[in-house]
Amino acid sequence: QQPVQSPQAVILREGEDAVINCSSSKALYSVHWYRQKHGEAPVFLMILLKGGEQKGHDKISASFNEKKQQSSLYLTASQLSYSGTYFCGTESNTGKLIFGQGTTLQVKP
Amino acid sequence: DTEVTQTPKHLVMGMTNKKSLKCEQHMGHRAMYWYKQKAKKPPELMFVYSYEKLSINESVPSRFSPECPNSSLLNLHLHALQPEDSALYLCASSQPRTRYNEQFFGPGTRLTVL
Repeated sequence: QQPVQSPQAVILREGEDAVINCSSSKALYSVHWYRQKHGEAPVFLMILLKGGEQKGHDKISASFNEKKQQSSLYLTASQLSYSGTYFCGTESNTGKLIFGQGTTLQVKP
Repeated sequence: DTEVTQTPKHLVMGMTNKKSLKCEQHMGHRAMYWYKQKAKKPPELMFVYSYEKLSINESVPSRFSPECPNSSLLNLHLHALQPEDSALYLCASSQPRTRYNEQFFGPGTRLTVL
């Protein structure tokens, strides 16, 4: 089942913060976060594992609440380059990554 | 080298044509994936190869035929496609059976079926 992301869209000014949420109804093994700019490939940002381990870019932070099957991506002091569509991908015990519908982020000068 | 390459970048084909999409990675990954992405939608998994064997087929129509000739290459053979198959086709790779199995995506092939 597809995870649900919120909000669907965010508009920020440079320097502002944003939080993107991802929620699943299934028990999860891991949550992945990707950013996709228009016409480009999705780029890996962060992976969070059941049990608390995580791996990702230094300037990106995220959390994973295993009990609630929820993850949040925190974007602080946003830059123009942060603009794009953010997808969470959830992995249960099937080995498949199922992506949420995406959150479009626009950062304005 | 953390790059996944895909060819061609763009492809236009008729419904009676046969064409192939190609994907290559040199990261030593042993899992490779095909995704289909429609405009303003998330990528949808089509196929997964793990150690050169097809491990997941998401009930994809037989007009799409994947092939994994070796651990670095992944092909998607197309035949008798429909206009609704027009989409961005993304290839990805990862290292299976590891703690972190993040996927690295190629730039995609934008397919138009006339």
